[in-house]
Amino acid sequence: GDSVTQMEGPVTLSEEAFLTINCTYTATGYPSLFWYVQYPGEGLQLLLKATKADDKGSNKGFEATYRKETTSFHLEKGSVQVSDSAVYFCALRYNNAGNMLTFGGGTRLMVKP
Amino acid sequence: NAGVTQTPKFRILKIGQSMTLQCTQDMNHNYMYWYRQDPGMGLKLIYYSVGAGITDKGEVPNGYNVSRSTTEDFPLRLELAAPSQTSVYFCASSYSSGAVNEQFFGPGTRLTVL
Repeated sequence: GDSVTQMEGPVTLSEEAFLTINCTYTATGYPSLFWYVQYPGEGLQLLLKATKADDKGSNKGFEATYRKETTSFHLEKGSVQVSDSAVYFCALRYNNAGNMLTFGGGTRLMVKP
Repeated sequence: NAGVTQTPKFRILKIGQSMTLQCTQDMNHNYMYWYRQDPGMGLKLIYYSVGAGITDKGEVPNGYNVSRSTTEDFPLRLELAAPSQTSVYFCASSYSSGAVNEQFFGPGTRLTVL
């Protein structure tokens, strides 16, 4: 079946450091790919998405490129802030009935001042 | 708009007790979902609904029931609570299927079964 694998956390960085959170997927078709962010005590929020190969999703300084050849969707940010501390989830979804998301295990990011 | 609201925020149950987790959305979304999030894990789909009167099982439906009598509400019922159901439960909704339709999540209900 389909699955999403993320690097294990926690990832601890200093403010203004470069961030990469790895995400790879296994899928039988051509899903859309997503990054969700969960701030402490809150529900998940969509951070960015890409719907086809070579698409780049971007939002709030975060970027991720849909790489079909490596089945990856790594999340990057050039300069993290303390306010970026959260749990980040990679997910995939097929555009069919149900609209169901398959999530990775999540990666906790801690940014220190 | 309030978006997706869930009640209660926290609950402790004893083994064998029952309860209903409430979920309401005010965005007129057709699709609604229930997920559970176990510590250090991703979310797993319990049940989903594509419209009023239509529900279907997700990945982990055992021990749960749902109903969808209105577009706005999608309650999740636990009939005989077990320690394995200790988790954080998230409700979500989206307008429809398709690449551009984002799922919006509620703030979650933290359930402990002792």
